[in-house]
Amino acid sequence: DGGITQSPKYLFRKEGQNVTLSCEQNLNHDAMYWYRQDPGQGLRLIYYSQIVNDFQKGDIAEGYSVSREKKESFPLTVTSAQKNPTAFYLCASSTGQGVYEQYFGPGTRLTVT
Amino acid sequence: KQEVTQIPAALSVPEGENLVLNCSFTDSAIYNLQWFRQDPGKGLTSLLLIQSSQREQTSGRLNASLDKSSGRSTLYIAASQPGDSATYLCAVRLTGTASKLTFGTGTRLQVTL
Repeated sequence: DGGITQSPKYLFRKEGQNVTLSCEQNLNHDAMYWYRQDPGQGLRLIYYSQIVNDFQKGDIAEGYSVSREKKESFPLTVTSAQKNPTAFYLCASSTGQGVYEQYFGPGTRLTVT
Repeated sequence: KQEVTQIPAALSVPEGENLVLNCSFTDSAIYNLQWFRQDPGKGLTSLLLIQSSQREQTSGRLNASLDKSSGRSTLYIAASQPGDSATYLCAVRLTGTASKLTFGTGTRLQVTL
């Protein structure tokens, strides 16, 4: 089955610790994205990558970092510099041209205490 | 900056009713618009994608329309069912912004028996 996997589904961390969220896709998509979702707010773009070894900041990149060493993988690190890291994190992918229809993974809920 | 608004924020209808969800956007230079469904605690499922050159798209009981000049899109759901209960999000992709999406905050739909 083609799709996007995110792991883990739930993640708990202590304040001050860095944490890495996994995102893998087998759709052969060139572009991948990370969004953050908070209650009552729309999805906000953190980082996106249109090709391997290249990525761009989205609207709320401060306190986050990413890498894109493989086409299939786009991990997100939430650093201790992120002031309010508790949120639902969603990964998505799309083709790199044409209609760019985005497909989403199941999400990771991160709780930092 | 593109802003996307969805009104109402929540809607409750009895089973069998036809209903319309609204999405408005401020910048009419859109490339395309995507409608998604999100169940509680889950990722997003793409429902319909409508290109800027199209007026509407249909999939089963769903029909999405687009009026760029007025900055509006509607999602029409025919003969609603309890299984349609979810949050519906619209997202706009601007021309010249590659694959980036700007999301509305969603309409939470409940279909009652």
